[in-house]
Amino acid sequence: EAGVTQFPSHSVIEKGQTVTLRCDPISGHDNLYWYRRVMGKEIKFLLHFVKESKQDESGMPNNRFLAERTGGTYSTLKVQPAELEDSGVYFCASSQARGTTNEKLFFGSGTQLSVL
Amino acid sequence: KQEVTQIPAALSVPEGENLVLNCSFTDSAIYNLQWFRQDPGKGLTSLLLIQSSQREQTSGRLNASLDKSSGRSTLYIAASQPGDSATYLCAVCYNTGKLIFGQGTTLQVKP
Repeated sequence: EAGVTQFPSHSVIEKGQTVTLRCDPISGHDNLYWYRRVMGKEIKFLLHFVKESKQDESGMPNNRFLAERTGGTYSTLKVQPAELEDSGVYFCASSQARGTTNEKLFFGSGTQLSVL
Repeated sequence: KQEVTQIPAALSVPEGENLVLNCSFTDSAIYNLQWFRQDPGKGLTSLLLIQSSQREQTSGRLNASLDKSSGRSTLYIAASQPGDSATYLCAVCYNTGKLIFGQGTTLQVKP
């Protein structure tokens, strides 16, 4: 079974440019999450999709960040325009529907974003 | 404020030792608690998940306990091996569905 796939694995861009990160969750997983770890800090929640709907986007830093999950399959996270403080590792995770016994979160390898 | 704290931040032990990693959380109204492992440059691998109604979970040489009332969890690793070297993360899930992470404990097991 394929795991959670993220690409690119690394992205180096200049301040002011746009970057789009992609996440392919495990097939059949309704829940999709985006998390971020900036240097020296703990991993923090960004947002949560249930199928194609945004369930919780309380962790999104500001309106420069836009997440989509059209069709309830893969998701994209766009940063436009990127700022220096956006640098970090962006993780995507997926899980099956809540209420089942199998609620483990499966994480992708992350996208290392460097804004110069 | 919901916070998760992990102690120690780093740990170095000789191979074969038993060790305990600690996690504490401020809000005891949790849904579940997960322990993850992260290797350098890799994603997070879920090791153990403990539901709020459970006291412990075991997988091989790993045992995780949960004391909800005191806001604590421990991850016990028996007979440590060099391959156990990694960062171990504790994360608490509340009813909102999102995880609150600790900063992690970086473990080095020396041959």
